[in-house]
Amino acid sequence: GAVVSQHPSRVICKSGTSVKIECRSLDFQATTMFWYRQFPKQSLMLMATSNEGSKATYEQGVEKDKFLINHASLTLSTLTVTSAHPEDSSFYICSALSLSGGKGNLEPYEQYFGPGTRLTVT
Amino acid sequence: GNSVTQMEGPVTLSEEAFLTINCTYTATGYPSLFWYVQYPGEGLQLLLKATKADDKGSNKGFEATYRKETTSFHLEKGSVQVSDSAVYFCALSTPYSGNTPLVFGKGTRLSVIA
Repeated sequence: GAVVSQHPSRVICKSGTSVKIECRSLDFQATTMFWYRQFPKQSLMLMATSNEGSKATYEQGVEKDKFLINHASLTLSTLTVTSAHPEDSSFYICSALSLSGGKGNLEPYEQYFGPGTRLTVT
Repeated sequence: GNSVTQMEGPVTLSEEAFLTINCTYTATGYPSLFWYVQYPGEGLQLLLKATKADDKGSNKGFEATYRKETTSFHLEKGSVQVSDSAVYFCALSTPYSGNTPLVFGKGTRLSVIA
């Protein structure tokens, strides 16, 4: 079964509004989660590394004030797209890093991906 | 820095054809290597992986061998099916080097026609 969930799976919002995307690790604690963005027919672009209890590390060119990341617990990281514009429309994917393996047969030091969130800004 | 290069697509094959998707990497240390698959409209699923040289990862008829001497991890399947149509990503990580993210190739789109 899924080990990382994302919510919502699909969202449509109006230009200028903010949207929050949640990424949860199920059955294991993740001190580190990653947020990726994927444009149509392209590869995943790493946006930021989210560390529990500290500030996220953003990749070059990613606006930290626009893409707010909060990793307030060991199982939840959120990405908030503030003042969204049509160019922010994309597929956002999170992953959680399993350090110790957790429950079941999870591999340590392996990233588990969420199913993605498709954001459409009109 | 670390990088992954995989063959450009799209690749179109007839059902039951042989598939090879080339992947080479550049990395410091001893990376782990992965193939992920993304079906239309979905997130990434781990297809197979190998964590050390000469390891062979296999799953669902796909396989790839970690070749340190050629820094390659080519994906192969002997007989593809229409249901294998998807985008395939080669990736590497350097575990035990801190909480570093996966480095992905650009992806190869595979279309299998009946």
